[in-house]
Amino acid sequence: AQSVTQLDSHVSVSEGTPVLLRCNYSSSYSPSLFWYVQHPNKGLQLLLKYTSAATLVKGINGFEAEFKKSETSFHLTKPSAHMSDAAEYFCVVRDNYGQNFVFGPGTRLSVLP
Amino acid sequence: SAVISQKPSRDICQRGTSLTIQCQVDSQVTMMFWYRQQPGQSLTLIATANQGSEATYESGFVIDKFPISRPNLTFSTLTVSNMSPEDSSIYLCSVLGTSGSLDTQYFGPGTRLTVL
Repeated sequence: AQSVTQLDSHVSVSEGTPVLLRCNYSSSYSPSLFWYVQHPNKGLQLLLKYTSAATLVKGINGFEAEFKKSETSFHLTKPSAHMSDAAEYFCVVRDNYGQNFVFGPGTRLSVLP
Repeated sequence: SAVISQKPSRDICQRGTSLTIQCQVDSQVTMMFWYRQQPGQSLTLIATANQGSEATYESGFVIDKFPISRPNLTFSTLTVSNMSPEDSSIYLCSVLGTSGSLDTQYFGPGTRLTVL
């Protein structure tokens, strides 16, 4: 069975400083991994995805994530936070033999001026 | 990617009534899903909407409470029946992408439901 752990329910950073949102997963088979962002009162937008190609994945808005199989991690990073990055972020896993997507509990990112 | 719209965007309903939420996609898609997001929570899959057959429900969700229709490859509805305040949530429609992104889910903007 698949599962996703997002280690921090809330992360707060200052504008212009780096962002790190942590995600660990478990999957019986080779997984696909995704990060979605949800701004207040909005739907979910795909930031980036890993599907067994390059382990360092670049997404929209300057975000990137690195797939580390040995650590079963897929942490999301951004070199410099912007006020508009304040939102809820969800890590999602799907194993390549299944259909269902399993969502992590989410991490709320606050960006302080 | 697919462009997905949902109606209504939000509603306030009385206990005991029902609400039907519509999901429209701008292209034909094989897989459509309905999720619930309770306040401050992550997403929980309600069901997979199957075109031409009954929806496939996840554990804890039943057809009598959440009937789903999928008359064609671009449209689906979710009804929340006999509502109670515990049904207050955001309901999201999603689809699997078309060619080139078959492994990726795309989401509608959601329907914010408040039950009084």
